[in-house]
Amino acid sequence: LAKTTQPISMDSYEGQEVNITCSHNNIATNDYITWYQQFPSQGPRFIIQGYKTKVTNEVASLFIPADRKSSTLSLPRVSLSDTAVYYCLVGGLDRGSTLGRLYFGRGTQLTVWP
Amino acid sequence: NAGVMQNPRHLVRRRGQEARLRCSPMKGHSHVYWYRQLPEEGLKFMVYLQKENIIDESGMPKERFSAEFPKEGPSILRIQQVVRGDSAAYFCASSRMNTEAFFGQGTRLTVV
Repeated sequence: LAKTTQPISMDSYEGQEVNITCSHNNIATNDYITWYQQFPSQGPRFIIQGYKTKVTNEVASLFIPADRKSSTLSLPRVSLSDTAVYYCLVGGLDRGSTLGRLYFGRGTQLTVWP
Repeated sequence: NAGVMQNPRHLVRRRGQEARLRCSPMKGHSHVYWYRQLPEEGLKFMVYLQKENIIDESGMPKERFSAEFPKEGPSILRIQQVVRGDSAAYFCASSRMNTEAFFGQGTRLTVV
């Protein structure tokens, strides 16, 4: 089961770009990288998922180097409402499960200041 | 299309009572997962179910905890004879085959 390492916390100011890097040295060939966001008292919310190179959606970008041992979630021009915990997850599509064997860890607490 | 619905949102039980937590997956989703989150900690996987089948219960405590996902109706996480250490937020997520999962708002269980 591939575990991940993320910074415990990060601070930023409104309007800045935030990059959160996650290490996953034991990632397996069929593992995907998925990021979730969690606000206090709410369930996690899917942000983005990727396998290699770069993925972009309306919320964020995900950069994955060729060796796939790390990934970087990039949030452009953050606002106060982006203050949340961000989880990096690594796991494969084992027997149809996308979450069953994923390790959430403690995530990265991002605080955006005015 | 309603999201994953969990109820109740808050549940208070006395030590020794039973707690039943319900999760209605999103429409068209046949995979359900239960996670537990203690204060200031990440989510811990408990169990993964498909309709009428437990696929992976490696995260479930061996005693007092059980889960089901019947052919009809919501998934139920049942905790018998609750203890103070069971106080936590319990999150349910659902997905289709090989797609990302969507989480509910959680049930906050407080054991007094």
